[in-house]
Amino acid sequence: DQQVKQNSPSLSVQEGRISILNCDYTNSMFDYFLWYKKYPAEGPTFLISISSIKDKNEDGRFTVFLNKSAKHLSLHIVPSQPGDSAVYFCAAVNSGGSNYKLTFGKGTLLTVNP
Amino acid sequence: KAGVTQTPRYLIKTRGQQVTLSCSPISGHRSVSWYQQTPGQGLQFLFEYFSETQRNKGNFPGRFSGRQFSNSRSEMNVSTLELGDSALYLCASSFGGIQVSSYEQYFGPGTRLTVT
Repeated sequence: DQQVKQNSPSLSVQEGRISILNCDYTNSMFDYFLWYKKYPAEGPTFLISISSIKDKNEDGRFTVFLNKSAKHLSLHIVPSQPGDSAVYFCAAVNSGGSNYKLTFGKGTLLTVNP
Repeated sequence: KAGVTQTPRYLIKTRGQQVTLSCSPISGHRSVSWYQQTPGQGLQFLFEYFSETQRNKGNFPGRFSGRQFSNSRSEMNVSTLELGDSALYLCASSFGGIQVSSYEQYFGPGTRLTVT
């Protein structure tokens, strides 16, 4: 049972345009969400996070939007650059109780074309 | 500040053997988590240790085990290796406290295990 889903295995955009990566979750107990970027032969790198008490968090070119009622979050990259080409993972956590486990989606491969 | 280090980076083993992977977290981080990454499956959570205690465990067989030392370094052991254990094994560290920012995990480069 996949609790975090990234339904687009890949996405291709032109340099300078907006990249929008989507993520859906099914577990209503998730209250903290993170995005990671992964280059080949490297471990995932933390990008940005958002708590369920917010609906938007911004960090430079990266903005994450959270729609709790739809159990949906998205990562916007503006403007996209060739160096952004990587696999992007969405992750969720239930910060209550004693569960410290991150649940990851399967990732979306973003290709930014020059 | 040095990042998370994992050794070895690459490993080739034969079915039935056992393997031990090592992870050194970022200085000051007390939580270490282990993940298995295979094509098409994303990152699957194995277990998490905090202050030498296993706090969480994923849905993996008992052949997968781990431990954490007093200096927060962690090891993962897989016994009786199977072909399906071939994967990238990632270690991640975090502060592990109750603040939500503690959930921001920092990953090492991984150990690529090939079982033949």
